[in-house]
Amino acid sequence: DADVTQTPRNRITKTGKRIMLECSQTKGHDRMYWYRQDPGLGLRLIYYSFDVKDINKGEISDGYSVSRQAQAKFSLSLESAIPNQTALYFCATSDTGTGSGYTFGSGTRLTVV
Amino acid sequence: GQQVMQIPQYQHVQEGEDFTTYCNSSTTLSNIQWYKQRPGGHPVFLIQLVKSGEVKKQKRLTFQFGEAKKNSSLHITATQTTDVGTYFCAGGGSSNTGKLIFGQGTTLQVKP
Repeated sequence: DADVTQTPRNRITKTGKRIMLECSQTKGHDRMYWYRQDPGLGLRLIYYSFDVKDINKGEISDGYSVSRQAQAKFSLSLESAIPNQTALYFCATSDTGTGSGYTFGSGTRLTVV
Repeated sequence: GQQVMQIPQYQHVQEGEDFTTYCNSSTTLSNIQWYKQRPGGHPVFLIQLVKSGEVKKQKRLTFQFGEAKKNSSLHITATQTTDVGTYFCAGGGSSNTGKLIFGQGTTLQVKP
């Protein structure tokens, strides 16, 4: 099984719908992140969480919310999806101070029509 | 806020040629990390540099961290078709919170 699992892998949704992207990890890491990837813009940080009771906004949090249900689970919600939220979304985890970098999930490709 | 710029955006090389991507930060970094994303895949961690002027090598890949800890480079010697993908640098802020800001990435194409 993958260390960081994202569901769904692909999703097409309509404008105005609420959608949740889920992420779970077996790494035992405290830190979890949500990024979105757009061509030419790289990876932009949406939200991050350093432990279950810690939630922080990233560069582009407007229109998104998150929930850290447990150490292993971090979900991203789009309250009312709009077409410019069409993107590839990645969840990532990291350990504290080990220098071993982020572990990314396989991504969720979201299309808002 | 902190920005990390990466150039070039795209690079096409003939197999066997060298390749370099450059990363520049608007602020001093606590560390710089490099990731590789294969086409259709997810970013995979390559390496972390922490010290001013640090140089690390992984086979044909050479990573450098600038003296001022505001820039970095990745150099690939004698590219192979397996090097195809997008290379991202990611900078950690001076407070070393663990949060990373990613550059836009450099997409490398290698012609056999």
